[in-house]
Amino acid sequence: GQQVMQIPQYQHVQEGEDFTTYCNSSTTLSNIQWYKQRPGGHPVFLIQLVKSGEVKKQKRLTFQFGEAKKNSSLHITATQTTDVGTYFCAPPGLTGGGNKLTFGTGTQLKVEL
Amino acid sequence: DAMVIQNPRYQVTQFGKPVTLSCSQTLNHNVMYWYQQKSSQAPKLLFHYYDKDFNNEADTPDNFQSRRPNTSFCFLDIRSPGLGDAAMYLCATSRARQGTDTQYFGPGTRLTVL
Repeated sequence: GQQVMQIPQYQHVQEGEDFTTYCNSSTTLSNIQWYKQRPGGHPVFLIQLVKSGEVKKQKRLTFQFGEAKKNSSLHITATQTTDVGTYFCAPPGLTGGGNKLTFGTGTQLKVEL
Repeated sequence: DAMVIQNPRYQVTQFGKPVTLSCSQTLNHNVMYWYQQKSSQAPKLLFHYYDKDFNNEADTPDNFQSRRPNTSFCFLDIRSPGLGDAAMYLCATSRARQGTDTQYFGPGTRLTVL
């Protein structure tokens, strides 16, 4: 089936360092959503990107959609301990259309003081 | 506050003993989803309901069934749980099935199979 790969799988950073996770698909995406899942928690919607080359910011988080709409990235500036969790990209519509999500493999972020 | 509620939060069952997980929502959303998430893996869609229309994923085992008696409630039935079914089960809702409709997840039910 369709796979959406994220790299890296794990990232340990010191508080204050930056962090980036990359999401790659072999097919062109209509749009892409990002979710954050805290340890022991459930996925929480962060943002949706629709347009080619789109860049959106949420405070310290910057999301980008590639020009070819096959990849996306999430960058966190100056990480804090509250950023700990797993970040998933999730494009809708890869399997049968609509908004059925195919979750990426995820990047687990750990932030150390 | 409008939300997605899952009960119980933790469920322990025995190998082969049927178990039912429940999900309710106050968002009045048309679509309800069930995902399975195993440890250190991404959530995997099992099936979803669009109103009363049931949509199964091709690779969802027959052991998993679902019911949606009304807009607010949706149930996941595992007929004969195996050890491999131990996982977090997540319920989610969305207003519709457009590609731009975001999904709202409940807190999940963690299932242990003894």
